[in-house]
Amino acid sequence: GAGVSQSPRYKVAKRGQDVALRCDPISGHVSLFWYQQALGQGPEFLTYFQNEAQLDKSGLPSDRFFAERPEGSVSTLKIQRTQQEDSAVYLCASIKAGQGEQYFGPGTRLTVT
Amino acid sequence: LAKTTQPISMDSYEGQEVNITCSHNNIATNDYITWYQQFPSQGPRFIIQGYKTKVTNEVASLFIPADRKSSTLSLPRVSLSDTAVYYCLVGDWGATNKLIFGTGTLLAVQP
Repeated sequence: GAGVSQSPRYKVAKRGQDVALRCDPISGHVSLFWYQQALGQGPEFLTYFQNEAQLDKSGLPSDRFFAERPEGSVSTLKIQRTQQEDSAVYLCASIKAGQGEQYFGPGTRLTVT
Repeated sequence: LAKTTQPISMDSYEGQEVNITCSHNNIATNDYITWYQQFPSQGPRFIIQGYKTKVTNEVASLFIPADRKSSTLSLPRVSLSDTAVYYCLVGDWGATNKLIFGTGTLLAVQP
C-alpha cells in the first residue's frame, strides 16, 4: 500500500518568507509526528498529533513553527519568517495506533537562502 | 529517555557479517531497544526491536545481554545496498512515542 508522502520534496525559500510543508500519512494511521533533521545529524522530534489533537509540541524550536492536522489525516508544518538555521530536512512519520513502528516519509529538504 | 552511544562509522566488505554495538547504561525497566536504518534522501526505516535476549527477523538479529546496558545489531552477509546510517534508540514506547535519535553509525560496505 501507499506509504507516507510529503510535498514538496525540495523547497528553497528566501529568508523571511513563509513556507508550508505537507504530510500525507498512511490511511487510517492515528498518530502523526514531525521531525527536523540537520545535515549529518539524527532526526529531532518537533511535534506529535493523535488524530486532530496536538498532544506534544515541545520540540518546536520557536513560535515561528506551527503545525496543524485539522481533520486528523493530512498535516501541515508551517514556518513563518524563515531563517537560515531552519534549513534542514523535515520528516513526517505516522503510526497506526498509539504506539508501534513509526513509518517515515521521504522528507522535505528546506533550504533558506 | 536513555542516552545511547554508538560508533560514528564502520567499514565492511560485501558478504561479511556486521555487528554494531550500542551502549545505553541508563536504560530503564520499561524501555525497549529499537534500531532504524536510513538511506540518503529517505526517512528512517524500522529494522528491529527487542527487550532482552535475542530477537531475529528476516533482515537482522538483535542481541541484548542480561544487564541490558548494551545491544548489538547484527547484519548477516551485508551487501552494497546495506550502506546506510543505523540508529539505536531506547525508550518506553508505551509512555511516549517521541523517538530520540543520536547521530547514528554510518556503515560503509565496500565491494
